[in-house]
Amino acid sequence: GNSVTQMEGPVTLSEEAFLTINCTYTATGYPSLFWYVQYPGEGLQLLLKATKADDKGSNKGFEATYRKETTSFHLEKGSVQVSDSAVYFCALSGGYQKVTFGTGTKLQVIP
Amino acid sequence: GAGVSQSPRYKVAKRGQDVALRCDPISGHVSLFWYQQALGQGPEFLTYFQNEAQLDKSGLPSDRFFAERPEGSVSTLKIQRTQQEDSAVYLCASSLELAGSQETQYFGPGTRLLVL
Repeated sequence: GNSVTQMEGPVTLSEEAFLTINCTYTATGYPSLFWYVQYPGEGLQLLLKATKADDKGSNKGFEATYRKETTSFHLEKGSVQVSDSAVYFCALSGGYQKVTFGTGTKLQVIP
Repeated sequence: GAGVSQSPRYKVAKRGQDVALRCDPISGHVSLFWYQQALGQGPEFLTYFQNEAQLDKSGLPSDRFFAERPEGSVSTLKIQRTQQEDSAVYLCASSLELAGSQETQYFGPGTRLLVL
């Protein structure tokens, strides 16, 4: 079956540092890949997505590239802010859209 | 426009009680999903509706869990004889169409269930 593996947290960074959160997946066929973010006390929000190999999803300064050869979808941001502190979930969707999530990575950005 | 809404936002139940959780999807959305998110974990799929038809209930953990969407809009997740291991956040999501895997799911804020 489908599965998503992402790096464990928590990840603590200073403001303006470079962020990478690793994500790899196992899936049959050609899934779509997502990053969702959950801010404290809020629901899940779609951060970005990519629907085919070599696509790059981007939003709010975050980027991730769909790498089929390495089955990866790593999340990056060049300069994090305190407001980026949240839990980030890598996810994939195949077939009729059932989404399989990773376990989440908590990011804490300190001033 | 209005997003996905869920009620109640918080529910405390005594072990053995029945609970009903409601989801109002975005108007016009065909697909509706329920997920269970345990503390410190990612959401896990429970069940899926296309309009009023429940097409996949493979994620429901036991026969105590039951979901319905009788008119193809509002959905209710019912848990009978609640157990402590049912304590989790229950998330509802909807998407516009059944169109392969490219449709974005929009999530509600969740219902946090605590079974004592």
